[in-house]
Amino acid sequence: DVKVTQSSRYLVKRTGEKVFLECVQDMDHENMFWYRQDPGLGLRLIYFSYDVKMKEKGDIPEGYSVSREKKERFSLILESASTSQTSMYLCASSSYTGLAGYTFGSGTRLTVV
Amino acid sequence: SQQGEEDPQALSIQEGENATMNCSYKTSINNLQWYRQNSGRGLVHLILIRSNEREKHSGRLRVTLDTSKKSSSLLITASRAADTASYFCATDERAGNNRLAFGKGNQVVVIP
Repeated sequence: DVKVTQSSRYLVKRTGEKVFLECVQDMDHENMFWYRQDPGLGLRLIYFSYDVKMKEKGDIPEGYSVSREKKERFSLILESASTSQTSMYLCASSSYTGLAGYTFGSGTRLTVV
Repeated sequence: SQQGEEDPQALSIQEGENATMNCSYKTSINNLQWYRQNSGRGLVHLILIRSNEREKHSGRLRVTLDTSKKSSSLLITASRAADTASYFCATDERAGNNRLAFGKGNQVVVIP
């Protein structure tokens, strides 16, 4: 069964901490994405990557960075966590064509206190 | 950028009834996709319809696409309690390099 695995289901961090969210896919997908989901705002794209070591800003990249050193792994980094970054974070991957749709991980619910 | 907008935002129906949701978008697209999200979980891909297609079926799902009106509909026939979820449309924009723009979602509750 193909999968996207996010390292943590729930995470609580303190303001100012550096936070790493990890995502691993086993489908040899070229494309990987990080979204955040907030009530009333839907899914908003933070960053995406088409290939190893490549990254593109999405709609809300401020306060975040990403790393893709290997094809199967895409990490989201919160450089200095703030309470406004409390959210559900969803990782997804897709093939180069995208015609099979995205495969999503189960999400990480991050609370910054 | 967000462009898919689902309508209605929330729907409550009896088991066995059909559920219909609509989605509108603003720009030219390569394809439009529908996803389901059960409470607090990741999204699951349901169906994709290309811009040159008008209708597509998958099991109890029927999707239509009207590119002249920039709208799509998702019909779930003979709904079941397990269909209770949020449903999102997402558009793959022509210039978007396979990045999807998601709508805000449509909550469907199927009452047993």
